[in-house]
Amino acid sequence: EAGVTQSPTHLIKTRGQQATLRCSPISGHTSVYWYQQALGLGLQFLLWYDEGEERNRGNFPPRFSGRQFPNYSSELNVNALELEDSALYLCASSRVAGPLRTDTQYFGPGTRLTVL
Amino acid sequence: AQTVTQSQPEMSVQEAETVTLSCTYDTSESDYYLFWYKQPPSRQMILVIRQEAYKQQNATENRFSVNFQKAAKSFSLKISDSQLGDAAMYFCAYRSASSNDMRFGAGTRLTVKP
Repeated sequence: EAGVTQSPTHLIKTRGQQATLRCSPISGHTSVYWYQQALGLGLQFLLWYDEGEERNRGNFPPRFSGRQFPNYSSELNVNALELEDSALYLCASSRVAGPLRTDTQYFGPGTRLTVL
Repeated sequence: AQTVTQSQPEMSVQEAETVTLSCTYDTSESDYYLFWYKQPPSRQMILVIRQEAYKQQNATENRFSVNFQKAAKSFSLKISDSQLGDAAMYFCAYRSASSNDMRFGAGTRLTVKP
């Protein structure tokens, strides 16, 4: 069974540009989560998508946005990039185990975003 | 808000020995899940073990086991017979049963000495 995949592996942008990161969940998983792992700051929850809808959002500004496609893959868009957006962005997926409940999250390898 | 604390930024263990990584959390909820994830230098976060709060029995996965103390809000990870491949960052994580955002600790970097 293929795991969660993310692309690109590395992304270099300049301040003010936009970045688009992509994630494909494990087959059968309908929920996708995005996390930011900045150096020395641990993992911070960004967004949760399920069945094409944004279900929950972490404490990040609106220039962090995303969407989930009918095949459950997802994009994370970061507009007006700032230097502090440089981080590893991790995507995770899970099944839905019931109303308001999701199963264990499985992570992809991440996209390293560098903002110059 | 729930918080997860890992008080050991770094730990080291001799190959074949046992090491315990500490984790405490703060919550007012009664229904939740706890996880240990491993992140080797390759960056891939790998699930090590999972514990449901309603289960009194401690979870075990081969050489990995937890000591879940619900009243003390403690969730430590014991690695037995440590192997070189166990070297990684280990993250403790909390997830409420009523929401799906995970709260992670700051991580513990484990070094395994040959």
